[in-house]
Amino acid sequence: RKEVEQDPGPFNVPEGATVAFNCTYSNSASQSFFWYRQDCRKEPKLLMSVYSSGNEDGRFTAQLNRASQYISLLIRDSKLSDSATYLCVPFRNQFYFGTGTSLTVIP
Amino acid sequence: DADVTQTPRNRITKTGKRIMLECSQTKGHDRMYWYRQDPGLGLRLIYYSFDVKDINKGEISDGYSVSRQAQAKFSLSLESAIPNQTALYFCATSDRGSNYGYTFGSGTRLTVV
Repeated sequence: RKEVEQDPGPFNVPEGATVAFNCTYSNSASQSFFWYRQDCRKEPKLLMSVYSSGNEDGRFTAQLNRASQYISLLIRDSKLSDSATYLCVPFRNQFYFGTGTSLTVIP
Repeated sequence: DADVTQTPRNRITKTGKRIMLECSQTKGHDRMYWYRQDPGLGLRLIYYSFDVKDINKGEISDGYSVSRQAQAKFSLSLESAIPNQTALYFCATSDRGSNYGYTFGSGTRLTVV
């Protein structure tokens, strides 16, 4: 079973919309995660960390639901520049990068 | 200058040739990694190194070798390149506890013809 699983999408949303996607994880011992974003043919870049208390950075909010074993990423007021693939990575096994969720923000 | 620098950025090579991809970092991180990415697939770990004297195989090490020449340098070699090694290769670094995630280089796009 994969350590994390994400809906690959693509999610196509209009500019200004709010979009959320989840990442489910299999190891109940996992307590923290990272969200990365990867633009097409570019390197992944760290977006934010997610701990039990969640995290918020501007338009981005990440939450960890330990009972249901998923991490969510919410993007408010989507911008065209948010178009990318979003990857969740467990802190305790950062070797594993899944395929991520593809987001396209449409004008 | 980038924190993690990969050279070359692009390379086309012929089947059977030996090729080396280089990675250097100015982050002062102990840990370095090599990944490959194929279209529609996630990043897959090839090799990793937690310090100069530590080298470990990743998920897909067959056909590859690495050298950690210094704390700041980690090179990946394809001893005899084959077409299915055509991919985008990323080098990454992290601190000892990986507490702040990885920092990636810009990638090397390798084509084996």
